[in-house]
Amino acid sequence: ILNVEQSPQSLHVQEGDSTNFTCSFPSSNFYALHWYRWETAKSPEALFVMTLNGDEKKKGRISATLNTKEGYSYLYIKGSQPEDSATYLCAFGNAGNMLTFGGGTRLMVKP
Amino acid sequence: GAVVSQHPSWVICKSGTSVKIECRSLDFQATTMFWYRQFPKQSLMLMATSNEGSKATYEQGVEKDKFLINHASLTLSTLTVTSAHPEDSSFYICSARASQGPGSPLHFGNGTRLTVT
Repeated sequence: ILNVEQSPQSLHVQEGDSTNFTCSFPSSNFYALHWYRWETAKSPEALFVMTLNGDEKKKGRISATLNTKEGYSYLYIKGSQPEDSATYLCAFGNAGNMLTFGGGTRLMVKP
Repeated sequence: GAVVSQHPSWVICKSGTSVKIECRSLDFQATTMFWYRQFPKQSLMLMATSNEGSKATYEQGVEKDKFLINHASLTLSTLTVTSAHPEDSSFYICSARASQGPGSPLHFGNGTRLTVT
């Protein structure tokens, strides 16, 4: 069983705050690291797929970094807005076709 | 693009009945679809990989006779929970890739909340 962990489990921030959370995953047999945003009553939406050590990706106010040697990825949100409230999932992919998901970080942004 | 539709969104059934959940890729062909299950406050757990035209691949601990998967076309996979019992109550969600390989993102359905009474 692959161990993919996310921290914190939940996070409350004020509108305008910047925040970040962590995904840790096995450092061996790495192929890809995915981040998804899952809003209530919607389906999970892909944010980033990263495959190279040192990758940094950005989408608007959201960015992610990847360290495959030590097995972690950070997701950053700059100037959080209420619409950023969601559960953020990471998923580790090895060379097989399978993704192993972390437990998610539930972000709540207060106006 | 890359929309996945899942039905029903929620279902309540009596113990002993069977429930079928459909997962459709609306604007792309999916040779492979994935079925996940989520218990409260836990992560998405892969149940099985559905392969078009061939048998599904089940993860360890998932009973294939209990959770029947059929992937008869490139746009439709179904999961049937047979003889459902209260312990099968859970959130089931399907996903598919528009292109192959773990480097391609998954596109998810909205999920199905199953309650067995």
